[in-house]
Amino acid sequence: DTEVTQTPKHLVMGMTNKKSLKCEQHMGHRAMYWYKQKAKKPPELMFVYSYEKLSINESVPSRFSPECPNSSLLNLHLHALQPEDSALYLCASSPQGAEGYTFGSGTRLTVV
Amino acid sequence: GQQLNQSPQSMFIQEGEDVSMNCTSSSIFNTWLWYKQDPGEGPVLLIALYKAGELTSNGRLTAQFGITRKDSFLNISASIPSDVGIYFCAGLIVTSGTYKYIFGTGTRLKVLA
Repeated sequence: DTEVTQTPKHLVMGMTNKKSLKCEQHMGHRAMYWYKQKAKKPPELMFVYSYEKLSINESVPSRFSPECPNSSLLNLHLHALQPEDSALYLCASSPQGAEGYTFGSGTRLTVV
Repeated sequence: GQQLNQSPQSMFIQEGEDVSMNCTSSSIFNTWLWYKQDPGEGPVLLIALYKAGELTSNGRLTAQFGITRKDSFLNISASIPSDVGIYFCAGLIVTSGTYKYIFGTGTRLKVLA
C-alpha cells in the first residue's frame, strides 16, 4: 500500500458544527502532516507529527485540533470554523521527515 | 520567513514543446522537491534533489539543484496534454531537529494540443 487515504473527500459544515477529518497511511511512515490549501495558492503547513508526537504547530487557531492516535492515523478535529477556513485540507506522510512527502487527495471543506 | 518564488507564474505552450521553470529563494535549502498537482487532487512527487549541482531525471522530466543552493530548475521535454497542471517546488527547512517543507508559489502549465 503506497497511498495516503483521506476521508471524507468533501465536507460542508456550519459554523457551530464539530467535525473531523481523517487520514490513514500503511507505509510505515513516522512523520505525518496537515496542510491547508486555498484556491490557486501553494499548500501551507499547519501541523507536523513525528513519531506520534506533535512537533510543529504553525500558529494554527485552536478551532483546529490535531490528533495522532497511532502511527498510521492522523485526525484533524474542527470546531466553530469560519467561512474563511474553507479550503482543501491535505494530509501527507514521509518515512522520517527529510524525504519527499506522499500526499492524500485531500478533503474539500466548505464552511457555511 | 523563507519564501520560494517560482517563475513563470503560468505558461501556455504547444504540445511537443519543451518547458522550463525555476524556483528561487534568498535562503539556502539542503533538499529540493518538485511536485505536480492536478485539479482537486493532492500534489504528486516528481523529483527529489539532495545535493547542490545534482541533475536528476524522471522520464521526460529533468530537475537540477542549483549550485548556490538557493534555486532549482525543472525542465519538461516534448510536452503532452497530460502535463497540464500546477508545478510546485518545495524546500526543506530543519528546525530543532524537525523537518518541514515549504512550497513555492507554483507554475501553472497549460498545453495546447
